[in-house]
Amino acid sequence: AQTVTQSQPEMSVQEAETVTLSCTYDTSENNYYLFWYKQPPSRQMILVIRQEAYKQQNATENRFSVNFQKAAKSFSLKISDSQLGDTAMYFCAFMKLNSGNTPLVFGKGTRLSVIA
Amino acid sequence: GAGVSQSPRYKVAKRGQDVALRCDPISGHVSLFWYQQALGQGPEFLTYFQNEAQLDKSGLPSDRFFAERPEGSVSTLKIQRTQQEDSAVYLCASRYTGLSTDTQYFGPGTRLTVL
Repeated sequence: AQTVTQSQPEMSVQEAETVTLSCTYDTSENNYYLFWYKQPPSRQMILVIRQEAYKQQNATENRFSVNFQKAAKSFSLKISDSQLGDTAMYFCAFMKLNSGNTPLVFGKGTRLSVIA
Repeated sequence: GAGVSQSPRYKVAKRGQDVALRCDPISGHVSLFWYQQALGQGPEFLTYFQNEAQLDKSGLPSDRFFAERPEGSVSTLKIQRTQQEDSAVYLCASRYTGLSTDTQYFGPGTRLTVL
């Protein structure tokens, strides 16, 4: 079974600064995806970024980028130029590549507060 | 079109009551997932549908939980004889195809409180 660990229950960052959220995972699979999801207080889970395990290049989406270390099974999220709207719960998630049923396995989340 | 919708958004039930939670996936989406999110935790998988077929129900915590998707679109998660430990947010997600490479889109969830 796969497990995802987020060791930072809460973090805060000043507006316009950079923050990094940590995630480690455990799996024996070789083909999988990793995700960061954002869950604002309204509770709609939104995909922030995803990384295919077979790709060595780290994924980026505007102000969001990841540091994917496959051997270390580490997948951190860096948010640059933090904005007040980034305040939310952030979940790291794992999904093995398979046909059909591929549920996401989530960590417990990191609550990020962006301070003006 | 519209995103995934769920109803009701909030449900309060007395212990022992039956509840039904509805999920309307994005139109045309083949795959549908249900997750349970306890307070302070990440979502956990409950069950998966591809069209009307329930292909995996390994995450359902007990036989009091039942899910259906009879016409391959709307899905209902039913909980019989609710218990306090059933209190959680229930999230639905849909995906365009059955391919794992596609993104799962989440609904806003139903917060269930069992008194």
